[in-house]
Amino acid sequence: SQQGEEDPQALSIQEGENATMNCSYKTSINNLQWYRQNSGRGLVHLILIRSNEREKHSGRLRVTLDTSKKSSSLLITASRAADTASYFCATGPTGANSKLTFGKGITLSVRP
Amino acid sequence: GAVVSQHPSRVICKSGTSVKIECRSLDFQATTMFWYRQFPKKSLMLMATSNEGSKATYEQGVEKDKFLINHASLTLSTLTVTSAHPEDSSFYICSAGAGGSDYGYTFGSGTRLTVV
Repeated sequence: SQQGEEDPQALSIQEGENATMNCSYKTSINNLQWYRQNSGRGLVHLILIRSNEREKHSGRLRVTLDTSKKSSSLLITASRAADTASYFCATGPTGANSKLTFGKGITLSVRP
Repeated sequence: GAVVSQHPSRVICKSGTSVKIECRSLDFQATTMFWYRQFPKKSLMLMATSNEGSKATYEQGVEKDKFLINHASLTLSTLTVTSAHPEDSSFYICSAGAGGSDYGYTFGSGTRLTVV
């Protein structure tokens, strides 16, 4: 069953605007990760936030984690057309080589 | 950074034949690799966890005899779709993690399988 549920399912914005995507999950986690997938391609790891962290930044990406609400958000600032892709959150249990559970994904379209 | 190479990127095969997909970790050793299947505009469905030197662990509902997984070395896992049927047509993706899930996983570029 799906652990992560992203919201919204689809998002269309203008280049330069910020994009905010949300993810909710159900069980306890060790970390939460965000991935990007361009059409017909594999996934690219964007950022990982651990359960004891509340916010993390990487370039134009900002991710937050609220373990009390079992939710996370991914903010992409100053979006570019190249950010157009599907974005997935995935939760990771404790332990090396543990399998991830993916959400359904968000389709982001950035209009030039 | 960690690189996972997956081949082929596209394959078309006839019904009843078998297809092998390779997943290689190029610059790190992976005792565990994961195989996913993705339907159009859908999320990734984990099929199995490939373990080096031992049997793969399949997710519920995945046919072991249909999707054969071999992980004979620390850098190579293969998925063989046996006696393929049109309903097996899908996008298959592998992943591995140099440091495990605590550091994020690296994914292959995927294989588009079309069974005609």
